[in-house]
Amino acid sequence: GAGVSQTPSNKVTEKGKYVELRCDPISGHTALYWYRQSLGQGPEFLIYFQGTGAADDSGLPNDRFFAVRPEGSVSTLKIQRTERGDSAVYLCASSRVGTTDTQYFGPGTRLTVL
Amino acid sequence: GDSVTQMEGPVTLSEEAFLTINCTYTATGYPSLFWYVQYPGEGLQLLLKATKADDKGSNKGFEATYRKETTSFHLEKGSVQVSDSAVYFCALSVRYQKVTFGTGTKLQVIP
Repeated sequence: GAGVSQTPSNKVTEKGKYVELRCDPISGHTALYWYRQSLGQGPEFLIYFQGTGAADDSGLPNDRFFAVRPEGSVSTLKIQRTERGDSAVYLCASSRVGTTDTQYFGPGTRLTVL
Repeated sequence: GDSVTQMEGPVTLSEEAFLTINCTYTATGYPSLFWYVQYPGEGLQLLLKATKADDKGSNKGFEATYRKETTSFHLEKGSVQVSDSAVYFCALSVRYQKVTFGTGTKLQVIP
């Protein structure tokens, strides 16, 4: 079946601009996660959704970052007033909840802030 | 907070050599442990996992044993192939919520 998909695969923007990154999870997966991976590092947790609500947003670095999942499926990560330090690969993952299932990752969106 | 420490790379091995990548962790609670792999140009894939002490996860010839007494989850493979060249991430998760990753170890296998 289809895996986690993310669009766009690459995004180049200028400092100060607003960007939206989209994640389409595996069908039937109620849990959705966003991570950020900087060059040479492991992914770092940003936010976790259970259904439509954010169950844990403790990883969001500041209030320029926001994510939504209005219908409990597709999620959008929104970054306002982008900074050069926001450049990274943004990964989305999904999983079933209430089981011992694991998180399945999408291919990521590479964000470059000039 | 939760953290994972894994050996730094890059690790360069000849084909058919024995591989060990060390991983230790600290966690509040009782974590599940994972190894993820990232092949060149591809996304993160789960390689293996273990959910309780003394469990051994295995896949594609790779193995790792959950050692609670030493808080370790070392990855091993008896005979590596060129196709194993990738970045390997040790990771943990408590109650299947956020995953905490190590910094990754790049493995290069040469013919």
